[in-house]
Amino acid sequence: ELKVEQNPLFLSMQEGKNYTIYCNYSTTSDRLYWYRQDPGKSLESLFVLLSNGAVKQEGRLMASLDTKARLSTLHITAAVHDLSATYFCAVDIPPGTASKLTFGTGTRLQVTL
Amino acid sequence: GAVVSQHPSWVICKSGTSVKIECRSLDFQATTMFWYRQFPKQSLMLMATSNEGSKATYEQGVEKDKFLINHASLTLSTLTVTSAHPEDSSFYICSAPPTGWAEQYFGPGTRLTVT
Repeated sequence: ELKVEQNPLFLSMQEGKNYTIYCNYSTTSDRLYWYRQDPGKSLESLFVLLSNGAVKQEGRLMASLDTKARLSTLHITAAVHDLSATYFCAVDIPPGTASKLTFGTGTRLQVTL
Repeated sequence: GAVVSQHPSWVICKSGTSVKIECRSLDFQATTMFWYRQFPKQSLMLMATSNEGSKATYEQGVEKDKFLINHASLTLSTLTVTSAHPEDSSFYICSAPPTGWAEQYFGPGTRLTVT
């Protein structure tokens, strides 16, 4: 059974600080997704990582994938309040088109002034 | 980008009644759609895979007779919660990958409250 774990589950950080969210998964996959969810809303796609060593950046967020370690990271640089949300990673097994996703536990990020 | 809509966005129903939720891909065709359920402060759990023109595939522990899924066209899948009970109250989200694509697009979700 595929397990996807994130840590931390909750993160409170000050504006301007840097931090990393980790996503570990238990089965081989070379495709990983990161999503953002605001309270009461659905998912917003942040990154699609499709191969080992993939790195993508958008604004203050950068995601990377190490398929050998079965680890993805979401790095936050100089956090701002607008980044407060819950972040999920997800893996699709088996990798391929139209595969079902298994989501991580989620990390609730709170950025304080 | 690809857009997925859901209707209704929220619904309140009485215990024992049935509720239908629609998921539509607005500008692309989707052979497969997925239905997820999310309880408060929890992650998303896949309920079932909806396949156009064939039976849905349900995840372990999901009652197929309670959660009826119909994927009648390449742009529409419906989830019917039959004989709803308060424990069915949840946020239901569908997703659809354009046929042949890896990335999935999520609908805005439907919040179901059963009283």
